Amino acid sequence: ELKVEQNPLFLSMQEEKNYTIYCNYSTTSDRLYWYRQDPGKSLESLFVLLSNGAVKQEGRLMASLDTKARLSTLHITAAVHDLSATYFCAVDEDNDMRFGAGTRLTVKP
Amino acid sequence: ETGVTQSPTHLIKTRGQQVTLRCSSQSGHNTVSWYQQALGQGPQFIFQYYREEENGRGNFPPRFSGLQFPNYSSELNVNALELDDSALYLCASSSRDRVTYEQYFGPGTRLTVT
Repeated sequence: ELKVEQNPLFLSMQEEKNYTIYCNYSTTSDRLYWYRQDPGKSLESLFVLLSNGAVKQEGRLMASLDTKARLSTLHITAAVHDLSATYFCAVDEDNDMRFGAGTRLTVKP
Repeated sequence: ETGVTQSPTHLIKTRGQQVTLRCSSQSGHNTVSWYQQALGQGPQFIFQYYREEENGRGNFPPRFSGLQFPNYSSELNVNALELDDSALYLCASSSRDRVTYEQYFGPGTRLTVT
């Protein structure tokens, strides 16, 4: 069964600090997605990672994929309050998209 | 390029009733996926429609059913509503003709079952 595990589930950060969210999955799929969700809102696509070693960056967020380790990371650099949200990773296999439980990120001054 | 839209935005139903939720896919997309997101949890995959055919299904009972129309819009129908069906229902459109399979989510329908 396809499983996707994120950690940590809750993350409280200070502004200007760095941190990493981890996403482990059980399938051999090489399609890994990161989404952001603000409270009461829908999901916003952040990154699509399609191959081993893929790295993508947008602003203070950088995502990477290691398909051999079945691990993706979302690295946050110099956090700011606007990054406070819930972040989900998801893996796509055989038309079945499985999401992790999400990491609720709070950035404090 | 128009985005994904869903209707209604909010809905209150009574246990045992039936509900239909609607989704209009993004222009140029031929695939619609439906998800259920309970409060504080990640989205759970219900099913996917590709060119009007069900193309994958998650672990949901048959009382969850769907349709996709020739214009690629879609409906999610839930019969015999239960209290646990209260959730945010999200649809996402994508194009299986593109390698990324990237999905674009609609704003969701908040269903409350009392």
